[in-house]
Amino acid sequence: NAGVTQTPKFQVLKTGQSMTLQCAQDMNHNSMYWYRQDPGMGLRLIYYSASEGTTDKGEVPNGYNVSRLNKREFSLRLESAAPSQTSVYFCASSDTGGDYGYTFGSGTRLTVV
Amino acid sequence: GENVEQHPSTLSVQEGDSAVIKCTYSDSASNYFPWYKQELGKRPQLIIDIRSNVGEKKDQRIAVTLNKTAKHFSLHITETQPEDSAVYFCAASRGGGFKTIFGAGTRLFVKA
Repeated sequence: NAGVTQTPKFQVLKTGQSMTLQCAQDMNHNSMYWYRQDPGMGLRLIYYSASEGTTDKGEVPNGYNVSRLNKREFSLRLESAAPSQTSVYFCASSDTGGDYGYTFGSGTRLTVV
Repeated sequence: GENVEQHPSTLSVQEGDSAVIKCTYSDSASNYFPWYKQELGKRPQLIIDIRSNVGEKKDQRIAVTLNKTAKHFSLHITETQPEDSAVYFCAASRGGGFKTIFGAGTRLFVKA
């Protein structure tokens, strides 16, 4: 039982490059999330997927897109990376919405130069 | 918009002492309040949570209290140990909602 698996763990991009962060969970959770973590700012929600087939914007969606590929997988895409997107990205899942705690992935440390 | 304020940002205690972290939330419809612990370089992990129909919850050395009228909730760690050193995040969400709001975090140092 792996929980929430994120790839890659580290990535360096040049400004303007694109990439996709992958996330998969094996807990049969309905809801999945992408957060970014910056020093002193806690965790900020980028996008979430309440259930398979739906996605919605969080606090800081600009510059990102998401795809809920199936119940297990939720990917985050940066179409044209900017230095302001340098951050640690966490994927998370929960059983149903905000009623339950999250299980987080191990994170992706992204640097945009 | 909704926000969660967390204090202090840094807390240093001696091993064996108690530590208290406080949070205030703005959305009066919030009814689920989890706490996460994040060790250096690791993922946040849920350590305890409380729902709005409960005033206090304990799990061994940790406890959480909730005052819905004042929109405050707190984490209490007793008999602190060096392995309690980490960043702690409080959070608040609405039941059935999907936008959990996190506090900015408290870095706890437990000195041996």
